[in-house]
Amino acid sequence: EDQVTQSPEALRLQEGESSSLNCSYTVSGLRGLFWYRQDPGKGPEFLFTLYSAGEEKEKERLKATLTKKESFLHITAPKPEDSATYLCAVQMGTGNQFYFGTGTSLTVIP
Amino acid sequence: GAGVSQTPSNKVTEKGKYVELRCDPISGHTALYWYRQSLGQGPEFLIYFQGTGAADDSGLPNDRFFAVRPEGSVSTLKIQRTERGDSAVYLCASSLTAQGYGYTFGSGTRLTVV
Repeated sequence: EDQVTQSPEALRLQEGESSSLNCSYTVSGLRGLFWYRQDPGKGPEFLFTLYSAGEEKEKERLKATLTKKESFLHITAPKPEDSATYLCAVQMGTGNQFYFGTGTSLTVIP
Repeated sequence: GAGVSQTPSNKVTEKGKYVELRCDPISGHTALYWYRQSLGQGPEFLIYFQGTGAADDSGLPNDRFFAVRPEGSVSTLKIQRTERGDSAVYLCASSLTAQGYGYTFGSGTRLTVV
């Protein structure tokens, strides 16, 4: 069965304390893996798309990487404004829908 | 408009009533998607439109749910005989193409069925 699993469910970091969020997937015919950020009461905001194993993307303090079975979202020296839920989603086969994980709720404490 | 607009932002309805949720996508975006997000969960796919036609409605949970996009822009998600289990945030997203990048979500409509 196709699955997208994110860990941890919740993460509390001190400001400046780097860490990584994990998204593991068991899907057939992966077309793309996507990271989104979601703030309370808002829709998901697009961060990155990764298409093939070994690919990396960076944006400010965030860096996303992809292997054949999982993706990591690395957060370097996080700030309180990085607090949000981070969602991972995959697109596979010929379909256009996204399959989302349940997200990691990140809290960065000043 | 500059972003995807969804109205209303909040809707409270009684069990058994009919509701309509509206999505106004980014101008020129041909692909439009509806997702449903329950508390503590990731968004769950409902339906995808390419232009005016529903290209994939495999995520609609049952025949109480229906969506239209008559002119290829604004879309309406319609729910008949609402049930308490329908309570969730309904998200709409649009994109220029069917590819995943450039997929912009609205802020959603929070539906509460009492």
